[in-house]
Amino acid sequence: GENVEQHPSTLSVQEGDSAVIKCTYSDSASNYFPWYKQELGKGPQLIIDIRSNVGEKKDQRIAVTLNKTAKHFSLHITETQPEDSAVYFCAAPGEGNLIFGKGTKLSVKP
Amino acid sequence: GAGVSQSPRYKVAKRGQDVALRCDPISGHVSLFWYQQALGQGPEFLTYFQNEAQLDKSGLPSDRFFAERPEGSVSTLKIQRTQQEDSAVYLCASSHSDREYGYTFGSGTRLTVV
Repeated sequence: GENVEQHPSTLSVQEGDSAVIKCTYSDSASNYFPWYKQELGKGPQLIIDIRSNVGEKKDQRIAVTLNKTAKHFSLHITETQPEDSAVYFCAAPGEGNLIFGKGTKLSVKP
Repeated sequence: GAGVSQSPRYKVAKRGQDVALRCDPISGHVSLFWYQQALGQGPEFLTYFQNEAQLDKSGLPSDRFFAERPEGSVSTLKIQRTQQEDSAVYLCASSHSDREYGYTFGSGTRLTVV
């Protein structure tokens, strides 16, 4: 079955800097890769996703890149702001459901 | 409704008690998922419904866990004879159709077994 590895587990950046979170997956047939943001006391919220027929997708300050050959995908946040502080999860399809990484706690220092 | 609603938000149970957690998905969403999230971990799959049919329950950790969605909308996750290791946040998610992975999650129910 699918296995998703995520790193780093924690990331601290200064406001305005960029943040990059990386994930690897094991199933070469996987074709959909979402990223979720989870704030304290809330459920995960979908922030961006990418399908396997494209290599990069952008939405304002966030972008996701996909390398199918290497089976990894990354979340890029530019011009970070304190409100970006949260736990971020990557995921990939398993057997009809999503398999999540263990999460990255991002702290943006003002 | 506008989002996925879960109740209660917090539940404290004495070891051995039975609990029932409710999920009200987005109206019209066909697929409904239950996940368990331990502290500091990612969500882990428990079970999946397509309408009223439970198509996958491979993630349920023991036969003390039971889920139902009798009319294809509201779902209940029941845990019998709770144990301390059941303490976690239980998340419900729904999506518009089968194999559509853009899940919308509820805020979860935090279960603490004492």
